[in-house]
Amino acid sequence: AQSVTQLGSHVSVSEGALVLLRCNYSSSVPPYLFWYVQYPNQGLQLLLKYTSAATLVKGINGFEAEFKKSETSFHLTKPSAHMSDAAEYFCAVRDNFNKFYFGSGTKLNVKP
Amino acid sequence: EAGVVQSPRYKIIEKKQPVAFWCNPISGHNTLYWYLQNLGQGPELLIRYENEEAVDDSQLPKDRFSAERLKGVDSTLKIQPAELGDSAVYLCASSLDSVGELFFGEGSRLTVL
Repeated sequence: AQSVTQLGSHVSVSEGALVLLRCNYSSSVPPYLFWYVQYPNQGLQLLLKYTSAATLVKGINGFEAEFKKSETSFHLTKPSAHMSDAAEYFCAVRDNFNKFYFGSGTKLNVKP
Repeated sequence: EAGVVQSPRYKIIEKKQPVAFWCNPISGHNTLYWYLQNLGQGPELLIRYENEEAVDDSQLPKDRFSAERLKGVDSTLKIQPAELGDSAVYLCASSLDSVGELFFGEGSRLTVL
């Protein structure tokens, strides 16, 4: 079974600062990788996905993620945080059996 | 286009009572998922349907949980009897097919007293 590790259950940044949310996965075979965002009392929404077309993936709301095979990482970044980015972010992996595995999530707090 | 619809959004029951959750996936989506999300954790798969067939129910506690997807569209997840530890958010998701991205509903938050 796959495992997904998100370092840091809580990340706090100032508005306008760089956002970096870390995700590492366990598979040696590049899987399909996703980042989802969850606002309070809502379901998860897809931010972006990696499907082997390009290692740098751009998503909605200015977020992007870079797939690094050597590091088995798929970290999420945004150059400048906005107050509306405050939410919980989940990294997910889909394996070759089409099963999704989610990380435990990182709550992003944006300070004014 | 309507998204994944779940009801009820919130449910409070006493332990040992039954509870049911309903999910209407996006039209045309063949694959439907039920996930369990505990506080501070990521979603964990309970069951996955391909049309009417449950293709992965290995994580569904079958002694008290049951699910069905009649006619390959709507789905119901039932817990009977509920236990205190079942308090969580139950998320429904759908995808166009087994390799598509997931679209989630807003979830059903269960509190068992």
